[in-house]
Amino acid sequence: KQEVTQIPAALSVPEGENLVLNCSFTDSAIYNLQWFRQDPGKGLTSLLLIQSSQREQTSGRLNASLDKSSGRSTLYIAASQPGDSATYLCAVKRGYNQGGKLIFGQGTELSVKP
Amino acid sequence: EAQVTQNPRYLITVTGKKLTVTCSQNMNHEYMSWYRQDPGLGLRQIYYSMNVEVTDKGDVPEGYKVSRKEKRNFPLILESPSPNQTSLYFCASSFADRDYEQYFGPGTRLTVT
Repeated sequence: KQEVTQIPAALSVPEGENLVLNCSFTDSAIYNLQWFRQDPGKGLTSLLLIQSSQREQTSGRLNASLDKSSGRSTLYIAASQPGDSATYLCAVKRGYNQGGKLIFGQGTELSVKP
Repeated sequence: EAQVTQNPRYLITVTGKKLTVTCSQNMNHEYMSWYRQDPGLGLRQIYYSMNVEVTDKGDVPEGYKVSRKEKRNFPLILESPSPNQTSLYFCASSFADRDYEQYFGPGTRLTVT
């Protein structure tokens, strides 16, 4: 059974710091991994999608890496800003079955202090 | 604008009163799913649909029904809501290919008293 773990559960940093969020999964047989951002009481915004054949993806100040063999992904946020404060979720997709079901981690709650 | 919409966004109801949460997407996606999010349990899939008239149970289907009569719509039906169905519900959609990302709606916060 695939399990997804995110460490740490919460993180508080001063503005301007570079930071890394971690995501690990127990079964390396995944099709892709997706990072989301969730603001309090709001929906999920997709940040980055990494296919199983890729090592990393970049979007602006965000960089996500994937090491499928070790079951790990990291989300790197450069020069953090207070507007980055949110919960970050990673999710893995196992395949075509179950409508492309995503298996989510519990999330890392990030707070960036001015 | 490509999006997944849900209605209502907030709902407070009483035990046993049937309700429907609507979900619609404008991206011509084949796959649609419903998830619920609960503290400490994360997001879990309730039901999913691979295409029109094709639906199946996810991980936590008890107490829910769905239908997929049109490609764009995927309503979630609670025939007799109970307090343990108080949760934040998300509808999601994607193309029927492993390489595509999933798009999520804004969420519906349901409280059953």
